[in-house]
Amino acid sequence: GAVVSQHPSWVICKSGTSVKIECRSLDFQATTMFWYRQFPKQSLMLMATSNEGSKATYEQGVEKDKFLINHASLTLSTLTVTSAHPEDSSFYICSGPGGQGSPDTQYFGPGTRLTVL
Amino acid sequence: AQSVTQPDIHITVSEGASLELRCNYSYGATPYLFWYVQSPGQGLQLLLKYFSGDTLVQGIKGFEAEFKRSQSSFNLRKPSVHWSDAAEYFCAAFIQGAQKLVFGQGTRLTINP
Repeated sequence: GAVVSQHPSWVICKSGTSVKIECRSLDFQATTMFWYRQFPKQSLMLMATSNEGSKATYEQGVEKDKFLINHASLTLSTLTVTSAHPEDSSFYICSGPGGQGSPDTQYFGPGTRLTVL
Repeated sequence: AQSVTQPDIHITVSEGASLELRCNYSYGATPYLFWYVQSPGQGLQLLLKYFSGDTLVQGIKGFEAEFKRSQSSFNLRKPSVHWSDAAEYFCAAFIQGAQKLVFGQGTRLTINP
């Protein structure tokens, strides 16, 4: 299957600082990528759809000014958590479609664990 | 609203025993259905998927799933589990109109030796 990487795999930051998480598709190009948030022992909740060359589409209830998404190229999408607070601590996962023939099949990155102190 | 339900939060089975994880979906049309597995601290790995055709689909690691339209179900099965199967399992549906995946709550599988 397709490979998606995320960096960093974990990050600890102080409250009030901003953190950037990168999501890269290593062997396919993606005009669309997805960002999810997963709380401990819970399911994945879609936060936003990242669109290459245009604005991201956010799910209801997700603050677009807090979770900035940039999809600068066909292989890179970034999520920046601005002015992070402890309640933003979570596991953030990105995904991309599996390329030709399987546009509906998502391949997931390994996730980034964010801890805000 | 479209939704995916996994009724069992936690299941424990003995190694070598058979396994069935339940998944039900609520959607007007037949969605694209998936099963993913997540090991601790890991990303999600695709086990199998159903788009159309044969309602019994085979996946990796010896898993299979059966789509039953009459029951709006897509249950995951494995005839004999291994200790390495202990993980969190997620059923998901791709909602074509919204172009996004909707996940079930997940089922945590524990394997007894």
